[in-house]
Amino acid sequence: GEDVEQSLFLSVREGDSSVINCTYTDSSSTYLYWYKQEPGAGLQLLTYIFSNMDMKQDQRLTVLLNKKDKHLSLRIADTQTGDSAIYFCAESRGGLTGGGNKLTFGTGTQLKVEL
Amino acid sequence: DTEVTQTPKHLVMGMTNKKSLKCEQHMGHRAMYWYKQKAKKPPELMFVYSYEKLSINESVPSRFSPECPNSSLLNLHLHALQPEDSALYLCASSQEATDTQYFGPGTRLTVL
Repeated sequence: GEDVEQSLFLSVREGDSSVINCTYTDSSSTYLYWYKQEPGAGLQLLTYIFSNMDMKQDQRLTVLLNKKDKHLSLRIADTQTGDSAIYFCAESRGGLTGGGNKLTFGTGTQLKVEL
Repeated sequence: DTEVTQTPKHLVMGMTNKKSLKCEQHMGHRAMYWYKQKAKKPPELMFVYSYEKLSINESVPSRFSPECPNSSLLNLHLHALQPEDSALYLCASSQEATDTQYFGPGTRLTVL
């Protein structure tokens, strides 16, 4: 995860918008993902964006991609207490020796939603 | 349905024990993965199977032995583990090895 950077912690009030940022390094990445991980649980796929897109919206989630700056963000509208979790961005890199793509995860951002 | 199941949910084992972790998916996915995740860290890739053949081994110690008996099932056999191997072990699957990965809930492993 050292090539994909995220801020470690974000605290917001319930009802506000949350913006989680991610900086990646591989300009050849084809897909970029956002996963959510609640305590003691696995990773839940939230959304993903293809590298030739600038924006994708899915209900309360908006993903923005700035390919020039290699910057990805996830905006959560009307943040709820159930959104409290760790959020990982991940980039999909190809060219593995055995074929296929490898997910390189960011360091993760702990989102805390306060009442 | 994008469900990947893993058993057991929790496992405690001694350093001389032999145990296995199990992962199952019925989505027709042809690629399956094992990841290791330490607390407050991102997951680290261990193994990739594509069409039931091991395609990637990320220099994992031989005390971890993966097995893919069929296209729906992935096992991780554990033997002579060390306390530092204690972690959350995550399984994932994807349609092909280049596609979006879906994760299971994980097995929390503690090695005493």
